[in-house]
Amino acid sequence: SQQGEEDPQALSIQEGENATMNCSYKTSINNLQWYRQNSGRGLVHLILIRSNEREKHSGRLRVTLDTSKKSSSLLITASRAADTASYFCATASNDYKLSFGAGTTVTVRA
Amino acid sequence: NAGVTQTPKFQVLKTGQSMTLQCAQDMNHNSMYWYRQDPGMGLRLIYYSASEGTTDKGEVPNGYNVSRLNKREFSLRLESAAPSQTSVYFCASTRDRGNNYGYTFGSGTRLTVV
Repeated sequence: SQQGEEDPQALSIQEGENATMNCSYKTSINNLQWYRQNSGRGLVHLILIRSNEREKHSGRLRVTLDTSKKSSSLLITASRAADTASYFCATASNDYKLSFGAGTTVTVRA
Repeated sequence: NAGVTQTPKFQVLKTGQSMTLQCAQDMNHNSMYWYRQDPGMGLRLIYYSASEGTTDKGEVPNGYNVSRLNKREFSLRLESAAPSQTSVYFCASTRDRGNNYGYTFGSGTRLTVV
């Protein structure tokens, strides 16, 4: 069963705007990871945030983690056409496996 | 280029046929995984190999078998393909079994069973 659930399922924004998507999960985790998937391609790892971290940045990406609410958010600032993709959160627990959500599809309009 | 290589990229099978999906990584990763991706369902884990010499079932193992041939290679076999196995299959690897690092994914195999 899927651990993480992303919200919204789809998001359409204008180039230059910020995009925010959320991930909720059910059980305790060691870390949470975000991935990007361009159409017809494999997933690409974006960022990993550990359970004892609250915020992490990587370029135009900002990830937050609230373990008390079992939720995370991914913010993409100043979006570009190249950011058009599906974004997945994945949770890592003690069982050596990553559990993926169903993803958020982001469309950046020129 | 370093990474995860999957073959074939596309395959059409008839119901009942068998085939093996190949996966190889050249990053000296210990752990390897097979996922399937279906529309609206995200990725579901089929089998994984936490380290060379071990394999374990994931969330949806029925109808599949795997072999961790060596540290580099992890194959997925469909013994008798069924239409329900039509999907995109991804192989992934990571440095260690503790999921302390991100996964590297292959580009996928798009399988259609008719």
